Amino acid sequence: NAGVMQNPRHLVRRRGQEARLRCSPMKGHSHVYWYRQLPEEGLKFMVYLQKENIIDESGMPKERFSAEFPKEGPSILRIQQVVRGDSAAYFCASSPATGEAFFGQGTRLTVV
Amino acid sequence: RKEVEQDPGPFNVPEGATVAFNCTYSNSASQSFFWYRQDCRKEPKLLMSVYSSGNEDGRFTAQLNRASQYISLLIRDSKLSDSATYLCVEASGGSYIPTFGRGTSLIVHP
Repeated sequence: NAGVMQNPRHLVRRRGQEARLRCSPMKGHSHVYWYRQLPEEGLKFMVYLQKENIIDESGMPKERFSAEFPKEGPSILRIQQVVRGDSAAYFCASSPATGEAFFGQGTRLTVV
Repeated sequence: RKEVEQDPGPFNVPEGATVAFNCTYSNSASQSFFWYRQDCRKEPKLLMSVYSSGNEDGRFTAQLNRASQYISLLIRDSKLSDSATYLCVEASGGSYIPTFGRGTSLIVHP
């Protein structure tokens, strides 16, 4: 049973480009969470999704950020027109329902 | 969003020491609690769930105090490999979103 898979592991984008981060949850897990972690900072909740539904996006910036979890395929976190302040580690976690969440290895986004 | 507070440390202890971390949470409706461990530049990994009656897993003991709204983690006989950041997590009913503290840094030295 593969764990939570995130790709790419490292992503470099120039200012103004788009970044797409992918997350495939563990088999049997229907709940996906995205978190952002800045250097020396804690994990900040961004968005909580279930298949085809955004349950809570209270942690998402109002502009440029969007997330989806389609019926087929991975969950996608999209950042449009990236700025230097978007540079961070983005972690995805999945859980079967209410219970322990398991994390992927993260995507480290660097905006140059 | 409700807060989870932890002492950032670092806690600097010798091998073999016993060390304890506390974490306070503000959401009285919190239902589930966990401790995670995060190594430098790695993903958080679940260490243990925290049950109302307290629970133990080898050298690790977790306790929950609902009246005072804190949870604790006790590590006995510390190993060098225990050096990491320990993250306190709570999740409440409703949308059940795991909320993380900023973590407590532990450094175990020879």
